[in-house]
Amino acid sequence: DAKTTQPNSMESNEEEPVHLPCNHSTISGTDYIHWYRQLPSQGPEYVIHGLTSNVNNRMASLAIAEDRKSSTLILHRATLRDAAVYYCIPDQYSGAGSYQLTFGKGTKLSVIP
Amino acid sequence: DAGVTQSPTHLIKTRGQQVTLRCSPKSGHDTVSWYQQALGQGPQFIFQYYEEEERQRGNFPDRFSGHQFPNYSSELNVNALLLGDSALYLCASSSRVRTGSTDTQYFGPGTRLTVL
Repeated sequence: DAKTTQPNSMESNEEEPVHLPCNHSTISGTDYIHWYRQLPSQGPEYVIHGLTSNVNNRMASLAIAEDRKSSTLILHRATLRDAAVYYCIPDQYSGAGSYQLTFGKGTKLSVIP
Repeated sequence: DAGVTQSPTHLIKTRGQQVTLRCSPKSGHDTVSWYQQALGQGPQFIFQYYEEEERQRGNFPDRFSGHQFPNYSSELNVNALLLGDSALYLCASSSRVRTGSTDTQYFGPGTRLTVL
């Protein structure tokens, strides 16, 4: 199983960009890197995922290092609604069309008004 | 699209009792996974169901069992409840993937189980 390392917590001022780092040095060549976030009192929600190249969607951008041993989730303008625990998760394909998500402790992002 | 729904929202049981939690997947999804989230921790994978069979299992005892119905909805059963089973139980749905691809898991709001 790929291990991940994320800061326990980070702070950001509202409307400023946030860069959330993740180290996943043992990731295999076929594991996608997923980011999920969990707002208070809610289930996790998907943010973004990628394999080798940088990815953008309406929520965030994902920058993946060339050696794939680390990635950075970028929130371009943090809002108060972005305050959540962010999880970096390499997926584990187990064959037969299934995979599971192994969550760590994630990074708790606080957004300061 | 109602997304993933779970019932009940909250549940209180006593030690030794049995509990059944229910999950309806997002429309178009055929795979259901269950996770346990203790307070202050990330979710831990319990098991995954597809085609009404358990396909993968995490490190959970046999007291945890499940079922998937033909309409893809699922139940999680926990027997002989322990105090340590108190947690948020999350259901996630997804679609089967081809080798080398991936998919997104959509989570429900969870069921908060308290064991007294």
